[in-house]
Amino acid sequence: EPEVTQTPSHQVTQMGQEVILRCVPISNHLYFYWYRQILGQKVEFLVSFYNNEISEKSEIFDDQFSVERPDGSNFTLKIRSTKLEDSAMYFCASSRWEGGGTDTQYFGPGTRLTVL
Amino acid sequence: GEDVEQSLFLSVREGDSSVINCTYTDSSSTYLYWYKQEPGAGLQLLTYIFSNMDMKQDQRLTVLLNKKDKHLSLRIADTQTGDSAIYFCAFTGTGFQKLVFGTGTRLLVSP
Repeated sequence: EPEVTQTPSHQVTQMGQEVILRCVPISNHLYFYWYRQILGQKVEFLVSFYNNEISEKSEIFDDQFSVERPDGSNFTLKIRSTKLEDSAMYFCASSRWEGGGTDTQYFGPGTRLTVL
Repeated sequence: GEDVEQSLFLSVREGDSSVINCTYTDSSSTYLYWYKQEPGAGLQLLTYIFSNMDMKQDQRLTVLLNKKDKHLSLRIADTQTGDSAIYFCAFTGTGFQKLVFGTGTRLLVSP
């Protein structure tokens, strides 16, 4: 069964450094998402992406964040200058529009980002 | 604004039924979902219900939706120790929009 994959599973970085989190969505999906979950808290939406542009973003997704689909398979989240409060589990998800049906999002296993 | 609340913790014995509840505020919710998160793992889609339905059954899972009270529940029949996890309800509005997640309910199943 196709699945969303994410790399790395765990990333440790120093405050102020740039990080890139990588995701490979399910191959016939067209809509891509990033969410994050700070330890012990809710899963929060960051951004959605369709047709090579951002379709929606939350207030968390400020100028320090960017997303890109650099080729036909990868979807990346870049944090330009990490802060301590960026430490969280980051989940990638993908979905395909089913023509009037549910736009079910399938999640990857997550990347745990630790900012020191 | 959007808000989704769940009770934090539920403990049951193996073989019993579990009922996990969720209340939400956004009346434009189109699809409502239940996701399962096992320790250290990602979010696994369990089931979903469209907002014009009252009930959906899928093997051991039964989803009930009360739109008037904005209440969603997930019943797990014959709960097993492997069902121990955190369960999140979530919803989307119309179109391809963000999922708004609940606070999560930690289900502990004891033998």
